[in-house]
Amino acid sequence: GENVGLHLPTLSVQEGDNSIINCAYSNSASDYFIWYKQESGKGPQFIIDIRSNMDKRQGQRVTVLLNKTVKHLSLQIAATQPGDSAVYFCAENSGGSNYKLTFGKGTLLTVNP
Amino acid sequence: NAGVMQNPRHLVRRRGQEARLRCSPMKGHSHVYWYRQLPEEGLKFMVYLQKENIIDESGMPKERFSAEFPKEGPSILRIQQVVRGDSAAYFCASSGQVAGTSSGNTIYFGEGSWLTVV
Repeated sequence: GENVGLHLPTLSVQEGDNSIINCAYSNSASDYFIWYKQESGKGPQFIIDIRSNMDKRQGQRVTVLLNKTVKHLSLQIAATQPGDSAVYFCAENSGGSNYKLTFGKGTLLTVNP
Repeated sequence: NAGVMQNPRHLVRRRGQEARLRCSPMKGHSHVYWYRQLPEEGLKFMVYLQKENIIDESGMPKERFSAEFPKEGPSILRIQQVVRGDSAAYFCASSGQVAGTSSGNTIYFGEGSWLTVV
């Protein structure tokens, strides 16, 4: 069936390094993708989104890249800080409904001081 | 601006009891969504509501679960006769046109309600 998955379940980086979190999706009908950050015991926090008519979008310290050819999404975090430690989820809109998001299982990012 | 508000944050129920989870959307938002997150998994869509209307409940279990978003007051997710498998984090989210922003369709999540069934 259609699913969203992550290549790496865990990622450990040193403070100040750049982080790259990857995500694969299989639903070719998806045209809206979002990255969320979830800290322990809290709700998902919106980071950045991108529509399928774009291949790159930048925010503050974050960049999302979308490669529709290989159905791949990545989140780049520049100068990673300890406060970035969290689980990161990519999500896609299933069948074109922006409200019905399909989430991957998440990648745990650990930033070492 | 206050975000999506959920209560209670933590709820413990015995098997067979009822659980009621409440959600007040972000100010100005008229679209509410409920998601469930099982331990170490991603969130799964349950239901989408607008005021007094259920728009899409395709992710809701067929029995024991119901949701409403009345004209006045918060949205309620109700779970009757809870079982241990209902133990999870339930997240409410909202979206809609928010004055002064350009991201009116972005879905924002609350902090969740953690249900434990013992």
